[in-house]
Amino acid sequence: KAGVTQTPRYLIKTRGQQVTLSCSPISGHRSVSWYQQTPGQGLQFLFEYFSETQRNKGNFPGRFSGRQFSNSRSEMNVSTLELGDSALYLCASSLGQGAETQYFGPGTRLLVL
Amino acid sequence: DQQVKQNSPSLSVQEGRISILNCDYTNSMFDYFLWYKKYPAEGPTFLISISSIKDKNEDGRFTVFLNKSAKHLSLHIVPSQPGDSAVYFCAASAYQGGSEKLVFGKGTKLTVNP
Repeated sequence: KAGVTQTPRYLIKTRGQQVTLSCSPISGHRSVSWYQQTPGQGLQFLFEYFSETQRNKGNFPGRFSGRQFSNSRSEMNVSTLELGDSALYLCASSLGQGAETQYFGPGTRLLVL
Repeated sequence: DQQVKQNSPSLSVQEGRISILNCDYTNSMFDYFLWYKKYPAEGPTFLISISSIKDKNEDGRFTVFLNKSAKHLSLHIVPSQPGDSAVYFCAASAYQGGSEKLVFGKGTKLTVNP
């Protein structure tokens, strides 16, 4: 099976712009979670989608949003970018049926100038 | 409030010896624990997991131990190899409200010296 894929791998934006990141989960996985990794804060949970519905949300401002399509692919959007949004954004997929392993994609490295 | 803590930011061991990485958690609702290995600019790679109903899980050179009363888990790598050098993240989850999220520790950088 193909693993989790994320596009783009690298992105440079300027403050105030918005960005959309994409994630394709492992085939058959219906849950997609997004995480932000920064040197100071480590890996932090953004939100989780299952069957096109947001099931869980972390403590991030409303500028961070996401959605999931009927094929389980997910997108994450960040509006009005700030310098502090520079991070590695990771997507993980799982079956979504309980305590189980989440498998991560390679991440999108976002740099905000 | 950090619910999952890895108190050692780094660890250095000799090739062939045992590496022991530790993790403590505070939320008693956590019922599933995982270890991930991560190289720079890559996503975390799943290593091994353990359910709260067990106290040990073994997979090749990797063994995870869970002490629920102490809210402590550890990852043992025996024997350690230079290719094991990476950052190791401990993660915990609680399947609550029909959803699951992973809470990560801040990682321990393992260096295995030849």
